[in-house]
Parts: sequence; structure tokens; C-alpha cells
Amino acid sequence: DAKTTQPPSMDCAEGRAANLPCNHSTISGNEYVYWYRQIHSQGPQYIIHGLKNNETNEMASLIITEDRKSSTLILPHATLRDTAVYYCIVRVAMVTNAGKSTFGDGTTLTVKP
Amino acid sequence: DVKVTQSSRYLVKRTGEKVFLECVQDMDHENMFWYRQDPGLGLRLIYFSYDVKMKEKGDIPEGYSVSREKKERFSLILESASTNQTSMYLCASSLAGPATNEKLFFGSGTQLSVL
Repeated sequence: DAKTTQPPSMDCAEGRAANLPCNHSTISGNEYVYWYRQIHSQGPQYIIHGLKNNETNEMASLIITEDRKSSTLILPHATLRDTAVYYCIVRVAMVTNAGKSTFGDGTTLTVKP
Repeated sequence: DVKVTQSSRYLVKRTGEKVFLECVQDMDHENMFWYRQDPGLGLRLIYFSYDVKMKEKGDIPEGYSVSREKKERFSLILESASTNQTSMYLCASSLAGPATNEKLFFGSGTQLSVL
């Protein structure tokens, strides 16, 4: 699995867009980019994933650079409830090795009033 | 929405007890997983199952066993609980497929304390 690099922490003002970067310069062609977040004392929550095209859902947008070596998770209007640790994971998963995603240190996002 | 339900939010057990942690998912997912999460060590995979009665060891299976008799239920068993098994235990499920294998849906977790 490709290694990912994320800043350890970021702040964002409530109501503004939060842009969380992730570097995955060694990503291979069949690896997907997944984003999760974990609010204190809860299980991780899936946010979004993509292969090479930009993706959007009701929670966030995922922008993947053309060379796929980095990506940005965008929370368009951050709220205090978005304060959490955000994990970027790069994986190609076959069924026999599923679930072995490495949730590293992630980025602690603090949304401030 | 997928719902993954873990039987207990908090559990306190004695050393040497046999402990059962239950997990149920309601979205007909093929894959189910058990993790533990400890401060500074991140999330570590204990066991996973990609079909009924199938199980695969994860990174830290020692001291644990699992059971998957029905598709929706995956049980983690601590045969003889020890203090170093005090941890947050997380169950997850996912739909089988190259993109969705890693689209994990987690339960709320069980904080297990072994005294």
C-alpha cells in the first residue's frame, strides 16, 4: 500500500471550507483513495473514496490531482461537529486481504466558532 | 444507511474470564472485521471474515478467536481475558468488491476493561 502523509493538525473557522491535504506520491494505478474521520470516542466514519476522478457526496468533495500523487478532502461549510481526526488511506483491496487499511495518525481538524 | 451494532458500549471483566463481543450488521455485507484501537498504536486488525464460516487472521490474532455462523453476525471471543486486552474494540463491515472492500462501516465500539 502506498504511504500517505497528512499534516498533524489544522484549524478552520465555522462556516468556512475546510481543505485537508494528503500526499500519496507512491500510489499505484489500481489503488483507491479513501477518507475516514473519527470523532472522539466513536468508531471511524467513512466519508468518501475515489480512483482518479473527483468525487462529491453529501458529506464532502474529493479532489485528486491528475498525476494522482496527492488529494484534498473538502468540507464545504465546516461546523463544530466536523471537529475530528481525518484519515487518508490508499489501498487496493482484494477480498482476501480486505480491512488491512492502516489508519495512521491522520489530521486533527479543529473547527472554531 | 448501514448500521453496525455492537452489543455493549462498556464492559468490565476479570482476568481469566471468557468474553464474547457481538457485532451485527443490517446491510447484507459479505465482509466483517474486528479491530482494536489503543492510544499511540492506531487501529489494528484482529480477524476478518469474507463469508459465512470463513475467517482470516489479521495482524494481532493471538488470544482471540471469532465466529461467523450467520452472515449478519460476527463474534469476537477472548478465550481467557488478560489485562493487556483492555482496549476499544471496533467492529466493521463492507460490501465485497474491488472498490468497496475498503469502504468500511464501523460500529460505535466497545470499551473493554480487564481487571
